[in-house]
Amino acid sequence: KAGVTQTPRYLIKTRGQQVTLSCSPISGHRSVSWYQQTPGQGLQFLFEYFSETQRNKGNFPGRFSGRQFSNSRSEMNVSTLELGDSALYLCASETLPGQGNEQYFGPGTRLTVT
Amino acid sequence: KQEVTQIPAALSVPEGENLVLNCSFTDSAIYNLQWFRQDPGKGLTSLLLIQSSQREQTSGRLNASLDKSSGRSTLYIAASQPGDSATYLCAVPNRGGSQGNLIFGKGTKLSVKP
Repeated sequence: KAGVTQTPRYLIKTRGQQVTLSCSPISGHRSVSWYQQTPGQGLQFLFEYFSETQRNKGNFPGRFSGRQFSNSRSEMNVSTLELGDSALYLCASETLPGQGNEQYFGPGTRLTVT
Repeated sequence: KQEVTQIPAALSVPEGENLVLNCSFTDSAIYNLQWFRQDPGKGLTSLLLIQSSQREQTSGRLNASLDKSSGRSTLYIAASQPGDSATYLCAVPNRGGSQGNLIFGKGTKLSVKP
């Protein structure tokens, strides 16, 4: 069974640009969550999607948005990039939300903003 | 607000030693607790998931315990090996119970010297 996949693995963008990251969950998993990891703040929850609906959202500005498609694949978008958005972006999937199941993480997308 | 703390932040041990990593959380009303491993620049690998009704979980040389009343969990690694060198993170779901909103500790960076 293939694991969680994320594309691209690495990105370099300039301040003010926008970026879209993609996450494909494990087959059969319908819940996808996104996290940002930085050396200073550690891992922080961005948002969670289930059945194409956002269930939860972390404390991030509106420049961060996401969506989920009918095949459970998810994308997140960051508009008007800032230097502080440089981070490792991780997505995780689980079968169903709120069931106490394990979350499985992808390898991450390393975003560098210059 | 749930807070997760991991002590120590870094640990260096000689190969073969048994060691304990600590995780504490402020709100004992947790749904479960998950331990992860992260290699540099990589995603998270789930090691063990302990449900709130459980006291221990074991996987190979790893044993995780959970004491909800005291707000603590420990990860015991037996007979450590250089390949165990990584950052270990613990995480609990947000109070709402949604697994999609995990709150992470800052991690313990483990170095096992040959």
